[in-house]
Amino acid sequence: RKEVEQDPGPFNVPEGATVAFNCTYSNSASQSFFWYRQDCRKEPKLLMSVYSSGNEDGRFTAQLNRASQYISLLIRDSKLSDSATYLCVVTIGGKLIFGQGTELSVKP
Amino acid sequence: GAVVSQHPSWVICKSGTSVKIECRSLDFQATTMFWYRQFPKQSLMLMATSNEGSKATYEQGVEKDKFLINHASLTLSTLTVTSAHPEDSSFYICSAKTWGLRAYEQYFGPGTRLTVT
Repeated sequence: RKEVEQDPGPFNVPEGATVAFNCTYSNSASQSFFWYRQDCRKEPKLLMSVYSSGNEDGRFTAQLNRASQYISLLIRDSKLSDSATYLCVVTIGGKLIFGQGTELSVKP
Repeated sequence: GAVVSQHPSWVICKSGTSVKIECRSLDFQATTMFWYRQFPKQSLMLMATSNEGSKATYEQGVEKDKFLINHASLTLSTLTVTSAHPEDSSFYICSAKTWGLRAYEQYFGPGTRLTVT
């Protein structure tokens, strides 16, 4: 079983749509939680941290449920520039553990 | 912000040859560097962690004799893929962080795309 699992997509949505990504992790010792964004053939970039209380950064809202080991990312009012692969990431023992990513394609 | 560079950005080599990839921290001291590999449509997989002046710690399943890592200075780590084969074709990404920072506070290089023919 993968340590971090995501629906690979792709998610094809029109501009302005709201889209939600889900992620589950298997190791209860996971310490910190993040969403990264990766553009094609580029390095991953930190999008936002995820907390149990939920956190928002503009159009992006992230949520963590430790009991069910579930992480989510909601993108409101999608822009063309949001097209990318979104990686769910946890830390275990000082290491970053990446999910395979969910591909998002926002169309005009 | 902290900048990490990688060289080359892409390389094509013949099967059986060795390829060296450099990872440099340009404006900070990288006490720890990480090497990842990413196959198409798959997650980044940590290959090894190296601390400056020490031997690298390899993840389970990664052959240390095939993937040679050297972290001889606080600004440079190298990954050498020895006797490369087509199945080693992948996107190799390094990241670096300085002592005391947390795991997520690592800065990624732009990656090196290796194609072995």
